[in-house]
Amino acid sequence: GESVGLHLPTLSVQEGDNSIINCAYSNSASDYFIWYKQESGKGPQFIIDIRSNMDKRQGQRVTVLLNKTVKHLSLQIAATQPGDSAVYFCAENHRDDKIIFGKGTRLHILP
Amino acid sequence: GAGVSQTPSNKVTEKGKYVELRCDPISGHTALYWYRQSLGQGPEFLIYFQGTGAADDSGLPNDRFFAVRPEGSVSTLKIQRTERGDSAVYLCASSTTGRGANVLTFGAGSRLTVL
Repeated sequence: GESVGLHLPTLSVQEGDNSIINCAYSNSASDYFIWYKQESGKGPQFIIDIRSNMDKRQGQRVTVLLNKTVKHLSLQIAATQPGDSAVYFCAENHRDDKIIFGKGTRLHILP
Repeated sequence: GAGVSQTPSNKVTEKGKYVELRCDPISGHTALYWYRQSLGQGPEFLIYFQGTGAADDSGLPNDRFFAVRPEGSVSTLKIQRTERGDSAVYLCASSTTGRGANVLTFGAGSRLTVL
């Protein structure tokens, strides 16, 4: 069936290092992907998105990579800061605008 | 308003009772989504509206769940005969109709606890 999943449920990173959060998706028809950040007690917050006709997109301190061949998505956070501690979700947008979320990765920042 | 507003923020009810959860989307956003999030899980799609109509309700778990958006703005998620398994955070999100580039803005959620 349709699903979006993540390889690692928890990731611990030293402050100042780069973080890489991975995501696998199964629906090859999905044409748009989004990364969200969720802090405790809050709703998910948009970080960055990418269309299926691209393989890389950069934002401020974040980069999303898309590999359609293996249906893999990753979020790279440069120079991780304490404020980056959160749960990160990838989501895929089917052509019918139904947006499906993965299970999430919790990012811990070590001092 | 400036963001998506959900009320109540917390709701405790007894098994078998009826519950309504309200969502006020960002003004002008035509698409509105409902998700359910259990502890340690990602948001689970329930239903989304384009304007007043439900474009996709395939995520509603059973006929105890129903949602409306009569004027294309505020939406209400209705749960009948609540069960303990309905306990979760119910998230609402809205977006402009950006086909293929649909960035959702979420509210803080309504935490439902069924005793």
